[in-house]
Amino acid sequence: AIRMTQSPSSFSASTGDRVTITCRASQGIRSYLAWYQQKPGKAPNLLIYAASTLQSGVPSRFSGSGSGTDFNLTISCLQSGDFASYYCQQYYSYPLTFGGGTKVEIK
Amino acid sequence: QVQLQESGPGLVKPSETLSLTCNVSGGSISGQYWSWIRQPPGRGLEWIGYVYYSGSTNYNPSLKSRVTMSVATSKNQVSLRVSSMTAADTAVYYCARGGQLLGGLGLWGQGTLVTVSS
Repeated sequence: AIRMTQSPSSFSASTGDRVTITCRASQGIRSYLAWYQQKPGKAPNLLIYAASTLQSGVPSRFSGSGSGTDFNLTISCLQSGDFASYYCQQYYSYPLTFGGGTKVEIK
Repeated sequence: QVQLQESGPGLVKPSETLSLTCNVSGGSISGQYWSWIRQPPGRGLEWIGYVYYSGSTNYNPSLKSRVTMSVATSKNQVSLRVSSMTAADTAVYYCARGGQLLGGLGLWGQGTLVTVSS
C-alpha cells in the first residue's frame, strides 16, 4: 500500500495567516491526490482533487500543488471556519490511503 | 441533492458481526461507486473498500477477510458487514460516493459511531 505522510501533524496559526500543509507519498502517484477538510464531529469534505483542482463551492483561498510524491495544500488567508483537520488521500492505486492528518488550531 | 445516511447498531459485542446500511436519497446508486471509510476516535481515516452499483467490490487487504459489501438497487442502499469485531474496530463508519481511481470521495454521509464492547 502507498503510505501518505503529512506534516506537520498540528500547528497553531492566526486568522489572516497564509498556511501550507505538506503531503508526501511513499511512491509516485502522479496527480492522483485529494485533500479534505474535517471539522469536529463532522464528515470530511472534499476540497481539492487531481492535486490542484478546486471542488465546486470551495473558496479560492484554498489551493493545491504538486505531483509525483510531494504535494502542498495552501490556505492563502486563514478564516475562522478554516480551523479544522486536513487530510490528503491518494487514488493512484488500491487500497486508497489517507495521510495521518494535520490539525490547524487557533493561536 | 443527493444525501447519504448510515444506519446500524451503535454497540456491537466482541466476535459479533457488524451490519451497516447506507441509504442514498435524492439520487440513484446506479452508475456509481460507493465506499466505506472508518475513523477510530481521535485518529485518522481508513478506507475499507468500495462496492460498485453492479455489485463488484474491492476491499482493503487489511480487512478483506472480514468484510462484505453489497448493493440493494431497488432500495437505493449499500451495505457493509464486518465479521469478528474487536475493540480495535471501534470507529465512526462513513459511507461515501466514489472509490474509483478517477477522483476523490465527493459526497459523504454523516457517519455512525460503532463501539465494540461486551
